[in-house]
Amino acid sequence: GAVVSQHPSRVICKSGTSVKIECRSLDFQATTMFWYRQFPKQSLMLMATSNEGSKATYEQGVEKDKFLINHASLTLSTLTVTSAHPEDSSFYICSAREGPSFGTQYFGPGTRLTVL
Amino acid sequence: GDSVTQMEGPVTLSEEAFLTINCTYTATGYPSLFWYVQYPGEGLQLLLKATKADDKGSNKGFEATYRKETTSFHLEKGSVQVSDSAVYFCALNSGGSNYKLTFGKGTLLTVNP
Repeated sequence: GAVVSQHPSRVICKSGTSVKIECRSLDFQATTMFWYRQFPKQSLMLMATSNEGSKATYEQGVEKDKFLINHASLTLSTLTVTSAHPEDSSFYICSAREGPSFGTQYFGPGTRLTVL
Repeated sequence: GDSVTQMEGPVTLSEEAFLTINCTYTATGYPSLFWYVQYPGEGLQLLLKATKADDKGSNKGFEATYRKETTSFHLEKGSVQVSDSAVYFCALNSGGSNYKLTFGKGTLLTVNP
């Protein structure tokens, strides 16, 4: 149980284009979903937190107009990287929290974004 | 604020060796504590967790005990395998809005045959 999927697993795009990444909780309803960014050999950096039907809460320093988050249902959240640039290339990981679970987060497999 | 300090790596061991990865924390209240494992090119997998003092989390031969008096949650395994090679993250959640996780920096473990 508690499986989280992400799609796509890898994406390569040209500079200036937008890329959408989907995060789905497959066998539970996610009260909250989180989006992280991970640089090589580093820990995860929380970008934003989203609750279904509400606006996402962004961490300090994360551009909300660049990283658009939509949490349309209890099983789906999307991250859109708008007007992507090479510096946005990274590993993006989502996680989902099942309500009454002392805050346990279940992570997706990650999406490798490369912007040329 | 909350913080997690874990042993810096990399850690290199031979197969069947004993593993300890130290983790200490600072948090308000009574946090839940977690160990996550990340295999190359993948997301994080929950390895084990403990939600209150003196709880022992265990999974796949790994163990960690929630020690409130020393604010620690050290990860141990009696006999590591090559397949245990991965990055291990200690994390805590002290409740509050949305139950955000605070992560340590991660420890790279390499197990050689």
